[in-house]
Amino acid sequence: SQQGEEDPQALSIQEGENATMNCSYKTSINNLQWYRQNSGRGLVHLILIRSNEREKHSGRLRVTLDTSKKSSSLLITASRAADTASYFCATDAGGFKTIFGAGTRLFVKA
Amino acid sequence: DAGVIQSPRHEVTEMGQEVTLRCKPISGHNSLFWYRQTMMRGLELLIYFNNNVPIDDSGMPEDRFSAKMPNASFSTLKIQPSEPRDSAVYFCASSLGFGTVATEAFFGQGTRLTVV
Repeated sequence: SQQGEEDPQALSIQEGENATMNCSYKTSINNLQWYRQNSGRGLVHLILIRSNEREKHSGRLRVTLDTSKKSSSLLITASRAADTASYFCATDAGGFKTIFGAGTRLFVKA
Repeated sequence: DAGVIQSPRHEVTEMGQEVTLRCKPISGHNSLFWYRQTMMRGLELLIYFNNNVPIDDSGMPEDRFSAKMPNASFSTLKIQPSEPRDSAVYFCASSLGFGTVATEAFFGQGTRLTVV
C-alpha cells in the first residue's frame, strides 16, 4: 500500500496563481520529500523536509510538515506554465526506502 | 556526471520473451532503486540495493522478476517470461544514503516496456 496520498488528484489554475498540494502519510517518518515529473520523464527532486522541521523554502516552493497530523503541503507561488507537471510526495516510512504517493497533476494555463 | 543512465529507453517484446533492463547509477551513490510506474498502480518500489546488496525485494511482483547489482556501477532488472501486464515504465534511481535515512533520489529517464 502507498505510504503517501496526495490531494487533490488534479489541479488546474491560471498562470500567476498559487498552487497548493497536500500529502498525508500513515507511519512515522525521518523525512518527507517532494518530486516533480514532467510528462514522459523521470522524477526530479524538489525539496526534502526532515521530521524535526516544520517549514522549508526553496525559491517559489514552500513546504510545511505537521507530524502530529501526518501531513505535508507543497505551495508553489506565482505559478508558471512551465510548472505544469505531476507532483509526488515521498516518505521513508521510518526506514531507508522511499515510497511515493499517487501524485497530483497540476495544469497551469497561460 | 551524466546522471542515472537507463537502457533501453523503449522496449517492445512479445509475451514469453525475456526482457533485461539496465541501469548505471551516479558514481559514488551507494543506494539503487528500481520502480515501476503504471496509470493503475502509480509508482511502485520493486527492489532496492545498498552497497550492491539487495536490502528489500518485497515489491517484486513475482518470481518472474529478478534484479542484480554485480558492482557499484551497474544493475539489471530481468523479467522472464514477460507478460502483457508487465507493460509499464520502469525507473532506476540512485542516492547517497546515510545510515538508514532515505535521502534525495536521482532518477533515470525510464524504460518504457510494452509486452504484446
